[in-house]
Amino acid sequence: DTAVSQTPKYLVTQMGNDKSIKCEQNLGHDTMYWYKQDSKKFLKIMFSYNNKELIINETVPNRFSPKSPDKAHLNLHINSLELGDSAVYFCASSQWPDQGNNEQFFGPGTRLTVL
Amino acid sequence: KNEVEQSPQNLTAQEGEFITINCSYSVGISALHWLQQHPGGGIVSLFMLSSGKKKHGRLIATINIQEKHSSLHITASHPRDSAVYICAVYRNQFYFGTGTSLTVIP
Repeated sequence: DTAVSQTPKYLVTQMGNDKSIKCEQNLGHDTMYWYKQDSKKFLKIMFSYNNKELIINETVPNRFSPKSPDKAHLNLHINSLELGDSAVYFCASSQWPDQGNNEQFFGPGTRLTVL
Repeated sequence: KNEVEQSPQNLTAQEGEFITINCSYSVGISALHWLQQHPGGGIVSLFMLSSGKKKHGRLIATINIQEKHSSLHITASHPRDSAVYICAVYRNQFYFGTGTSLTVIP
């Protein structure tokens, strides 16, 4: 069974469209994350979320919004896609970071290409 | 300037060589992680450290909190170790290094 799954694996879309990426974890974790990896392979956190708190990286445009229907899912919605949004997006989960001492489990990534 | 710096950026080694990847950070942290990203793109967590040293198979990770520095060592390197190794530190959130791309040649 896949621990953290993401769909779709690849997403190609036109500028200006709205799209969503889904993430599910079956590990019973209480915290989930979205990361963006750019073309230079640099990972940057976008959001971390548990059932108590959403922490947003202030550099993330408000076109990006996380939606969590339940503890096992954290979906990423992107409105008005721009060329610069092209990247690989990773979902991850862990128990609450608690000083960062809990292992993160990553999904396989979603490669988004905006044309 | 990135809070987390890794060196080298790229590393090519012959099979069997001892490899060291370095990570320096500029903020006070509570934990440091080493991650491995395979050529196919998947990311796995190798180590979490808040002090001292950890060993798992041929991999060894050390951290010096006072010097704000960590190293990842690979003994008897193998082509299957070829991957990008990413250092991440935790200070209220995770901050990532730019990664070290390792290629081990048979």
